[in-house]
Amino acid sequence: EVQLVESGGGLVKPGGSLRLSCAASGLTFSTYSMNWVRQAPGKGLEWVSSISSTSSSIYYADSVKGRFTISRDNAKNSLYLQMNSLRADDTAVYYCARVSSTIVGDMWGQGTLVTVFS
Amino acid sequence: SYVLTQPPSVSVAPGQTARITCGGNNIGSVHWYQQRPGQAPVLVINNDSDRPSGIPERFSGSKSGNTATLTISRVETGDEADYYCQVWDSRSDHYVFGPGTKVTVL
Repeated sequence: EVQLVESGGGLVKPGGSLRLSCAASGLTFSTYSMNWVRQAPGKGLEWVSSISSTSSSIYYADSVKGRFTISRDNAKNSLYLQMNSLRADDTAVYYCARVSSTIVGDMWGQGTLVTVFS
Repeated sequence: SYVLTQPPSVSVAPGQTARITCGGNNIGSVHWYQQRPGQAPVLVINNDSDRPSGIPERFSGSKSGNTATLTISRVETGDEADYYCQVWDSRSDHYVFGPGTKVTVL
């Protein structure tokens, strides 16, 4: 069974940093591109960042470019999102998702909540 | 940036048919997600009209011109959820979601 489990969410002050992790199991992680997608409270889905299977291609939404860094460790079957210079509008549930062609995610984790407040 | 449009809400009686539209300029392959309250999204239709394994046949997708449509036949109370369409914008190398449609089963 494919499982994606996010962790690392929590409370952080504006300007602070947080690192999210996504542990993958039940799939050959190294062969898949991966995404981070977020959802602010009561709002819709927003794509955040993508990374190819070998980390050779990385993309960011304009709203996080220059502040967030996506990475992966295929040996550990893990995906990461380093979030710096956090703002109140970064408050959201962050999901990791497995990419399939142009599909954001054919499999999703349950999400981890990030709250930025002073 | 590329924009997708969806109606904010659709209401339907049990057993009836719900149709949710998704519009965009020169729209490419469209994928649809169902998100029940408090849960992660689930892919219900990919590539305009393909249904992933495990998704009931009541869910179907189509596209005509610049508008894609998700159709839910014989609606059940368990179909009450938010539905999002999504495309890949090759000009920006960005994934794009529609704003979402809340389906209410009366």
